[in-house]
Amino acid sequence: AQSVSQHNHHVILSEAASLELGCNYSYGGTVNLFWYVQYPGQHLQLLLKYFSGDPLVKGIKGFEAEFIKSKFSFNLRKPSVQWSDTAEYFCAVFLYNFNKFYFGSGTKLNVKP
Amino acid sequence: GAVVSQHPSWVICKSGTSVKIECRSLDFQATTMFWYRQFPKQSLMLMATSNEGSKATYEQGVEKDKFLINHASLTLSTLTVTSAHPEDSSFYICSARSRGRTPGNTIYFGEGSWLTVV
Repeated sequence: AQSVSQHNHHVILSEAASLELGCNYSYGGTVNLFWYVQYPGQHLQLLLKYFSGDPLVKGIKGFEAEFIKSKFSFNLRKPSVQWSDTAEYFCAVFLYNFNKFYFGSGTKLNVKP
Repeated sequence: GAVVSQHPSWVICKSGTSVKIECRSLDFQATTMFWYRQFPKQSLMLMATSNEGSKATYEQGVEKDKFLINHASLTLSTLTVTSAHPEDSSFYICSARSRGRTPGNTIYFGEGSWLTVV
């Protein structure tokens, strides 16, 4: 069974709007958390990852995510989106004790110029 | 950075035949490799987890006799789709977890293999 859920399936924003994509996981043990982006016709690209330390993680292209352990969440944020951020975003969780690596269902982001 | 190579990138096969996809870690040893399939406009679905030298662990709903996974060495895992049917057409991706490091920062992805069964 999948252990990570993304509730926003499709998000449409205008340029310069702020972005927050939700990601929740359902596992009480040690996890490592990731956000990937997939641009149209391209392969997965790692945006950022969390495995320990500061729960606020900064990634590439101005993205950041915050790990809130009490909420089992790892939401992705960007203060001001650009048209070039149009892509699909996947949250993923590595379940340390089970040695499993699951992806969420993805969120399609459409940024209107 | 670490490289995971998948081969072939594209393959077309006839219905009823078998096709093998290779996943190699080129500059590190991979204790664990994960196999996913991704249908168009959908997410990556974990099919199985393979550990070097042991049998693969399949996710619920994945037929282990149809999707044969072998992880014979620390740098190579193979996925064989046996008796392929058109519904097996998909994008198959492997990822590899490197050995001896903190997990989480050492999972690398292959570029994927497009399988079309005609």
